[in-house]
Amino acid sequence: QLQVQESGPGLVKPSETLSLTCAVSGGSISSTTYYWGWIRQPPGKGLEWIGTIYYSGSTYYNPSLKSRVTVSVDTFKNQFSLKVRSVTAADTAVYYCARQGYYYDSSAYYSWGQGTLVTVSS
Amino acid sequence: QSVLTQPPSVSGAPGQRVTISCTGSSSNIGAGFDVHWYQQLPGTAPKLLIYGNLNRPSGVPDRFSGSKSGTSASLAITGLQAEDEADYYCQSYDSSLSGSVFGGGTKLTVL
Repeated sequence: QLQVQESGPGLVKPSETLSLTCAVSGGSISSTTYYWGWIRQPPGKGLEWIGTIYYSGSTYYNPSLKSRVTVSVDTFKNQFSLKVRSVTAADTAVYYCARQGYYYDSSAYYSWGQGTLVTVSS
Repeated sequence: QSVLTQPPSVSGAPGQRVTISCTGSSSNIGAGFDVHWYQQLPGTAPKLLIYGNLNRPSGVPDRFSGSKSGTSASLAITGLQAEDEADYYCQSYDSSLSGSVFGGGTKLTVL
């Protein structure tokens, strides 16, 4: 069964860059039937979509974060990554990676990682 | 302010039926994009509960059902159990944002 798992630093200083990686196991990130997404959840708040990538490298970003976010894919390592630049305390959240279905505009997020808490603090 | 609107909380006694609404607009649910529902137990990642408006993934009890009409969708839970106490989120696609949108979440309390 396909699984995803986030990894990365749990503490980032303000104005620096948050970097996370999502490892895919039990399947290939190069499958034509999946999209791969990042979603975050500030403490005590709801879910916010950050961005999505296809194995080919096509990316889609939340307009509210687009200027600071980059999502990339590494098909050789079977993983995809997230970078958020110039972070502030407002970027403190649990970050989830997830597998989306075949259609970018209508598919659900079928598999989620356990999430990783990233705190922005000096 | 979430693009999709959900009630902050709902409650019900064991065995009862509750519904959670998810209201959108003409650029998301009303445009025909599918609605999906997730259950988030305390301290855990969201889990897909309903996809494509009304379909249940394998392993999800048939006590959970989804529906969609116009610019809204609903999640119904029958035969409430203590283990259903969780946060529930709806999700769809918004053509104005060209991306996924989530509801603000609804906390279900089993009395």
